[in-house]
Amino acid sequence: QIQLVQSGAEVKKPGASVKVSCKASGYAFSNYGLSWVRQAPGQGLEWMGWITEYTGDTNYAQKFQGRVALSRDTSTSTAFMEVTNLTPGDTAIYYCARETRWGKYRYSDYWGQGTQVTVSS
Amino acid sequence: EVVLTQSPGTLSLSPGERATLSCRASQTVNSNYLVWYQQRPGQAPRFLIYGASNRATGIPDRFSGSGSGTDFTLTISRLEPEDFVVYYCQHFGALVTFGGGTKVEIK
Repeated sequence: QIQLVQSGAEVKKPGASVKVSCKASGYAFSNYGLSWVRQAPGQGLEWMGWITEYTGDTNYAQKFQGRVALSRDTSTSTAFMEVTNLTPGDTAIYYCARETRWGKYRYSDYWGQGTQVTVSS
Repeated sequence: EVVLTQSPGTLSLSPGERATLSCRASQTVNSNYLVWYQQRPGQAPRFLIYGASNRATGIPDRFSGSGSGTDFTLTISRLEPEDFVVYYCQHFGALVTFGGGTKVEIK
């Protein structure tokens, strides 16, 4: 079955960086893109960026340009999201989600379980 | 960037009632790229509807989506106890955006 399994919770100090992984299984990893979405405590979903299928190009929400880096290792079917210069405002659950393009449609059909990142001094 | 506004913020209804959730876009969008998700407390979002009106695999037929242009609707025909959670719309444009969510609570 299709699964996205994310790395465990992280606690970081302000100014530090964090790198979250998302290991895919059950499908051809390179044939699908991956989005990253975060959710601050009690808040809604916020799209951060995505890494495309095949070429692995990246596209970021303007808010995260320059501070977030998405990458992937196709040999291990794993995607990564790194956030630098963390502030307490980055405290959130971070999700990876598979992006499917099917015909004329696009959607995120499978999601990781989420990774809690806490930023506190 | 397309801004999605969901209303109401909270919808108070009883089991068995009909729920109508709105998602309004700041500009005309391609309905093929309008998606709805459900999120239960402590869980990742669950894929419900794609292309504004197509149910994802395994989604009960009490869930339906409609709309075009700037106005989209998620309808739950008869609310079951497990439906009282939060719903988000999403648009896949050059950039991707989410609406702020609608919480469906028990009246």
